[in-house]
Amino acid sequence: SQKIEQNSEALNIQEGKTATLTCNYTNYSPAYLQWYRQDPGRGPVFLLLIRENEKEKRKERLKVTFDTTLKQSLFHITASQPADSATYLCASNQAGTALIFGKGTTLSVSS
Amino acid sequence: GAVVSQHPSWVICKSGTSVKIECRSLDFQATTMFWYRQFPKQSLMLMATSNEGSKATYEQGVEKDKFLINHASLTLSTLTVTSAHPEDSSFYICSARDLAWTSGLKETQYFGPGTRLLVL
Repeated sequence: SQKIEQNSEALNIQEGKTATLTCNYTNYSPAYLQWYRQDPGRGPVFLLLIRENEKEKRKERLKVTFDTTLKQSLFHITASQPADSATYLCASNQAGTALIFGKGTTLSVSS
Repeated sequence: GAVVSQHPSWVICKSGTSVKIECRSLDFQATTMFWYRQFPKQSLMLMATSNEGSKATYEQGVEKDKFLINHASLTLSTLTVTSAHPEDSSFYICSARDLAWTSGLKETQYFGPGTRLLVL
């Protein structure tokens, strides 16, 4: 069955460093990989989408890569801040289908 | 833009009662809405895909007679948990896509704030 895996449940880093989160997929080839932020008790908020034919996408301090050979997406937050502390969810889909989510990685940025 | 609301934000009910959760797209139209459930420290699990004017499509293992979905308009979908039991206690989240892509990308899903259900 299709799987999206975020192997790190938690990541702790210091303010100012770059956070790198990993997402792997197995048993299928998604057309899109998407990253969402979820704060406790809240619904996910969309951050970035990358298509299978794109290598990299950037938005302000965020960067996402998509490696179809490794079946992996990396999500980077540069110059991290305590306000970046949250759970980050990787999700994938084919065109027109619902998103399938990974378990998420909880990022804690300490000052 | 692309705001999705849910009501209520939390509900406590007795076992055996039914609970209705509303999901609205406030500033865009959504042909398709999705219902997810999330248990603590778990990922969002897709329950069903709701299409305006037609029957919902349920994921494997989700009882369609227990989780009734109605999508009567392009801005409103409802989820009714019938005869709720303690094991139905969870965080229910709806999401929608922007039909006209006016708020962003075609494949982006916009999520409501979620409804926390506690069945005693």
